[in-house]
Amino acid sequence: EIVLTQSPGTLSLSPGERATLSCRASQSVTSSYLAWYQQKPGQAPRLLIYGASSRATGIPDRFSGSGSGTDFTLTISRLEPEDFAVYYCQQYVTSPGYTFGQGTKLEIK
Amino acid sequence: QVTLRESGPALVKPTQTLTLTCTFSGFSLSTSGMCVSWIRQPPGKALEWLARIDWDNDKYYGTSLKTRLTISKDTSKNQVVLTMTSMDPVDTATYYCARVSGSRYHFDYWGQGTLVTVSS
Repeated sequence: EIVLTQSPGTLSLSPGERATLSCRASQSVTSSYLAWYQQKPGQAPRLLIYGASSRATGIPDRFSGSGSGTDFTLTISRLEPEDFAVYYCQQYVTSPGYTFGQGTKLEIK
Repeated sequence: QVTLRESGPALVKPTQTLTLTCTFSGFSLSTSGMCVSWIRQPPGKALEWLARIDWDNDKYYGTSLKTRLTISKDTSKNQVVLTMTSMDPVDTATYYCARVSGSRYHFDYWGQGTLVTVSS
């Protein structure tokens, strides 16, 4: 089973700063199979990025995804107050199965 | 507009069977390529995928819980049902249903979730 490890566990930044969140897989992942979600307290996750780098419908262009193989990154270019949340990466493996990382909490510094 | 809504008991006793219903609109599970999944999240913890049902009634389950799960659909009612047997306090979680994207690789629409507490 492929394990996704997200780092850091908590990221403390100020509005306007750049956020870089990491998702590392224990084995190589096909880029098409990697997605990112945002979850705010009391809400369901929201799809941000799919296929490692494609923004979902309605997602602002300050969100971007990159990476390949075992290392993937979610970047938020300039943090807005509404961006402080928990972020999860997720991958698909044929069998089928889906696994999530443990999450990165982005908090206001 | 795609929407999904979970319903079911908020409280179940240990050893009981949990039955959750996902009622959706804006798409049909009779359409080729459509799939719906269940995902859960214990309080303060990460997400865990549980099961998926496809338009052609193929069913898939997460490895750790597959012996306890059954997923089914009622296409005429636009509903997907998940049953989980032998509930335990560690199964306390918010349970989400989500539409699986056309590629099958991710979840593009989610319900708001329903919190299920397992306690005697």
